[in-house]
Amino acid sequence: EDQVTQSPEALRLQEGESSSLNCSYTVSGLRGLFWYRQDPGKGPEFLFTLYSAGEEKEKERLKATLTKKESFLHITAPKPEDSATYLCAVQDANNFNKFYFGSGTKLNVKP
Amino acid sequence: GAVVSQHPSRVICKSGTSVKIECRSLDFQATTMFWYRQFPKQSLMLMATSNEGSKATYEQGVEKDKFLINHASLTLSTLTVTSAHPEDSSFYICSATLVRQLNTEAFFGQGTRLTVV
Repeated sequence: EDQVTQSPEALRLQEGESSSLNCSYTVSGLRGLFWYRQDPGKGPEFLFTLYSAGEEKEKERLKATLTKKESFLHITAPKPEDSATYLCAVQDANNFNKFYFGSGTKLNVKP
Repeated sequence: GAVVSQHPSRVICKSGTSVKIECRSLDFQATTMFWYRQFPKQSLMLMATSNEGSKATYEQGVEKDKFLINHASLTLSTLTVTSAHPEDSSFYICSATLVRQLNTEAFFGQGTRLTVV
């Protein structure tokens, strides 16, 4: 069964304390892996897409990496405004319109 | 680019009434849009795939007659929750896919918080 698992479920950091969020997946075919940021009461905001193992993408304090089984979202020196829920989604290689979502990691950055 | 707008952001309705939620792709054409439902502290659950000019495809367990989907143009899909009940209260999110440089990417609306009283 296709599955996407995110860990930890929740993460509390002090401002400036770097850490990583994990997204592991077991899908029959991966086309792309997407990271989104979701603020309370809002829809997911697109961050990155990764398509092949070894690929990395960066945006400000965030860097996403991809292996054959998992992806990491590294947060360097986070700020309180980085507090949000981070979702990952795997795009089905057999149906590009099909996305499997993880349950998210809720990040709280304390000043 | 790639903005998806959803309206309304919040709606409160009485049991038994119907509510319509709109999803628009503002700067691109979307032949396919998606409707999700999200429960607190849970991930997005795909309800249906909306195809422009044809019938929507519903996921298993989603009632077609209760959640009516219309995709009348390349930039607009609507979800109507008919005869709403308190258990239909949830956060509904639409998304649209965009093909850029041969890659298909998904962008989301702001979500609609539905409360049925």
